[in-house]
Amino acid sequence: QKEVEQDPGPLSVPEGAIVSLNCTYSNSAFQYFMWYRQYSRKGPELLMYTYSSGNKEDGRFTAQVDKSSKYISLFIRDSQPSDSATYLCAMNANSGYSTLTFGKGTMLLVS
Amino acid sequence: NAGVTQTPKFQVLKTGQSMTLQCAQDMNHNSMYWYRQDPGMGLRLIYYSASEGTTDKGEVPNGYNVSRLNKREFSLRLESAAPSQTSVYFCASSVTKGNTEAFFGQGTRLTVV
Repeated sequence: QKEVEQDPGPLSVPEGAIVSLNCTYSNSAFQYFMWYRQYSRKGPELLMYTYSSGNKEDGRFTAQVDKSSKYISLFIRDSQPSDSATYLCAMNANSGYSTLTFGKGTMLLVS
Repeated sequence: NAGVTQTPKFQVLKTGQSMTLQCAQDMNHNSMYWYRQDPGMGLRLIYYSASEGTTDKGEVPNGYNVSRLNKREFSLRLESAAPSQTSVYFCASSVTKGNTEAFFGQGTRLTVV
């Protein structure tokens, strides 16, 4: 079993839809959870990060962590064509001491 | 504000040839990384340098060597390229090892024929 599992998609939604992107993980030591966005032929860039459990909101984006279920989500409200990209979850146990573990990424298409 | 700069952007190699991928960052970050990204495999860590003067293996180090030339520069060398090394290579940097925000370069698309 991979440490981090993420459905590769593609996930196709109409403009304005609410999008839910998810990752599951197996390592209970993970405490820092990140979402990176990667446009085609570009490097990933950090979108949001969350420490431990709970929700974090930033504009149209909400990151949610459920450590009891080892499940994280990224919600995008009012999705736009400019949100079309690959979204990678990433996590680590101890920021500053261990390297990041990435999911394989989910491709999102908004049209 | 350049961030992380990788050279070259594209490269085609013949099997057995060698080459060095260059990476430089101007953010005064301590830690630098080399990843490869393949379809269906996601980002896999090849090597990293937690701080100037140190390097460590990641998940897929075989066939690669690295050099942390100074705080700014971290190079990746393929001594004898193989078709299995066809990939997109990303260099990244962060303030410290495993810091939540890693900054990525634009990638090098390498094809080994």
